[in-house]
Amino acid sequence: KQEVTQIPAALSVPEGENLVLNCSFTDSAIYNLQWFRQDPGKGLTSLLLIQSSQREQTSGRLNASLDKSSGRSTLYIAASQPGDSATYLCAVFSNDYKLSFGAGTTVTVRA
Amino acid sequence: ETGVTQTPRHLVMGMTNKKSLKCEQHLGHNAMYWYKQSAKKPLELMFVYSLEERVENNSVPSRFSPECPNSSHLFLHLHTLQPEDSALYLCASSQEVVDSPLHFGNGTRLTVT
Repeated sequence: KQEVTQIPAALSVPEGENLVLNCSFTDSAIYNLQWFRQDPGKGLTSLLLIQSSQREQTSGRLNASLDKSSGRSTLYIAASQPGDSATYLCAVFSNDYKLSFGAGTTVTVRA
Repeated sequence: ETGVTQTPRHLVMGMTNKKSLKCEQHLGHNAMYWYKQSAKKPLELMFVYSLEERVENNSVPSRFSPECPNSSHLFLHLHTLQPEDSALYLCASSQEVVDSPLHFGNGTRLTVT
């Protein structure tokens, strides 16, 4: 069974600092990995999807890397802003057609 | 506007009530999902439908009953729930079950009293 872990559970940084969020998974037999953002009381918004054959994906200030063999992905957010405050979740789509989520990292960016 | 609309946003129900959650997607997707999100826990997949056929039932108790009348609508019928069923219920859709990004609705916050 795929296990997805996100560390740390919470993170607080001053505005302008770069954010580094970690995601690890136990089974490297995956189709893709997705990063989501969730604001309080809201649903999830897809940020980036990395296919298993890719090493990274970029969108604006966001960059996500994938090291499938070691079971790790990292989401980098450059020059953080208070509007980046949210919970960030990673989800792994495994070869058994199941999508497994981590518990998330809650980010607070202080103005 | 997420493209996936869930109603109601909030629901309080007693353990003997029967209620339904509704989800509608305007994205032309072929797959729809129900997820349960409890505090401090990872999202739990409940049901997956692809082209209106159920393809995944993740050992969900029978007091939760899904219905997918067409590819744009998904319901979750609730009856004789327990207080531990209180959670945020999220609907999602994707173009295909495999290899497509998920698009989520804003969820229904369910409280069982």
